[in-house]
Amino acid sequence: EVQLVESGGGLVKPGGSLRLSCAASGFTFSSYSMNWVRQAPGKGLEWVSSISSSSSYIYYADSVKGRFTISRDNAKNSLYLQMNSLRAEDTAVYYCAEFERWLPWGQGTLVTVSS
Amino acid sequence: QSALTQPASVSGSPGQSITISCTGTSSDVGSYNLVSWYQQHPGKAPKLMIYEGSKRPSGVSNRFSGSKSGNTASLTISGLQAEDEADYYCCSYAGSSTPWVFGGGTKLTVL
Repeated sequence: EVQLVESGGGLVKPGGSLRLSCAASGFTFSSYSMNWVRQAPGKGLEWVSSISSSSSYIYYADSVKGRFTISRDNAKNSLYLQMNSLRAEDTAVYYCAEFERWLPWGQGTLVTVSS
Repeated sequence: QSALTQPASVSGSPGQSITISCTGTSSDVGSYNLVSWYQQHPGKAPKLMIYEGSKRPSGVSNRFSGSKSGNTASLTISGLQAEDEADYYCCSYAGSSTPWVFGGGTKLTVL
């Protein structure tokens, strides 16, 4: 069964850091680009970052550039998002997503930035 | 990169058909056949309904269809059912520097 399972969310103070993980299974993870998408409470979906299959190409939304770092470990079938200098506006459910095979999304992981 | 433009809300009665538009630019919707549509019920993860403009994933009802004309993509739901009430989001490929852009979402109400 194809699965994407996000983890690592939680409550963090403004200026703090958090590392999200996405465990992939049921498909050849190393062959596909992966993405992080977020959804603030009561708001729409926002693309955050993309990474190519071999990590050669990496892109970020302007809203997170310079603060977030996407990475992957193909040997562990895992995608990561290192989030630094977190702000209140980063509060959201974070989803990992794949847009080539169009795999089902996971349930996401909630990040709350608050003092 | 600006978000794609969707109507904030649409409504219809059971059995009717509705169409949700998604307007982009020649840099995203107009240039690529990579528009997807997601359905999201409250508290749930988005569910893929249409990909690559008009393709339906296995298990998605054929009441859902997608199309595109110029810079505007559309999702049509025919034979509206109560369970179709949800938020719907479009998404398009937008080129290598900012690969993906979403619409602001449309709340569908089944009257």
